[in-house]
Amino acid sequence: NAGVTQTPKFRVLKTGQSMTLLCAQDMNHEYMYWYRQDPGMGLRLIHYSVGEGTTAKGEVPDGYNVSRLKKQNFLLGLESAAPSQTSVYFCASSYDGRGGYEQYFGPGTRLTVT
Amino acid sequence: AQRVTQPEKLLSVFKGAPVELKCNYSYSGSPELFWYVQYSRQRLQLLLRHISRESIKGFTADLNKGETSFHLKKPFAQEEDSAMYYCALSDDFQKLVFGTGTRLLVSP
Repeated sequence: NAGVTQTPKFRVLKTGQSMTLLCAQDMNHEYMYWYRQDPGMGLRLIHYSVGEGTTAKGEVPDGYNVSRLKKQNFLLGLESAAPSQTSVYFCASSYDGRGGYEQYFGPGTRLTVT
Repeated sequence: AQRVTQPEKLLSVFKGAPVELKCNYSYSGSPELFWYVQYSRQRLQLLLRHISRESIKGFTADLNKGETSFHLKKPFAQEEDSAMYYCALSDDFQKLVFGTGTRLLVSP
């Protein structure tokens, strides 16, 4: 099993450009998440999904859109990139529900917006 | 509002010394708490969760509801413990709220 994979690993964008980050998981998990990690801020939730076809906003959703058309994929889009979106983006997935289920993280995508 | 506080950005100890990484939380319900660890050039991974009441790699963490704390402890630190440690709280939908992290540096 590959677990959680993210594409691409690195990207440099110019202000105003758009891009899509792809997250894929092969563990048949229901829940998927996008976080951003910034120095001194920890990880902050951008959007999440509790199942195929569903998405919801997290703590810092502005400037991002997501889609979960297939259970195994969760896409994060930046329609018009801004320097404030320079960050490391992590995708995660978890099995379901409550009870302290573990979240499995991808390797991260380092995005720089100039 | 849910909040996780890790007061120390950096904790530097010598090999063999005891380690305690502090974590305090605020949550209105019954919390599910975790410690995640990120070793250099590796992905974030679960270290332990409070409901399991387990010891992983010599680390333990006890949930103290009275003090709203979930401190991570290890009696004798090893160099391979050097990493970034995040305390996290989970709500009903398995969303994690992370603290800002503590970098543990264990020197020989």
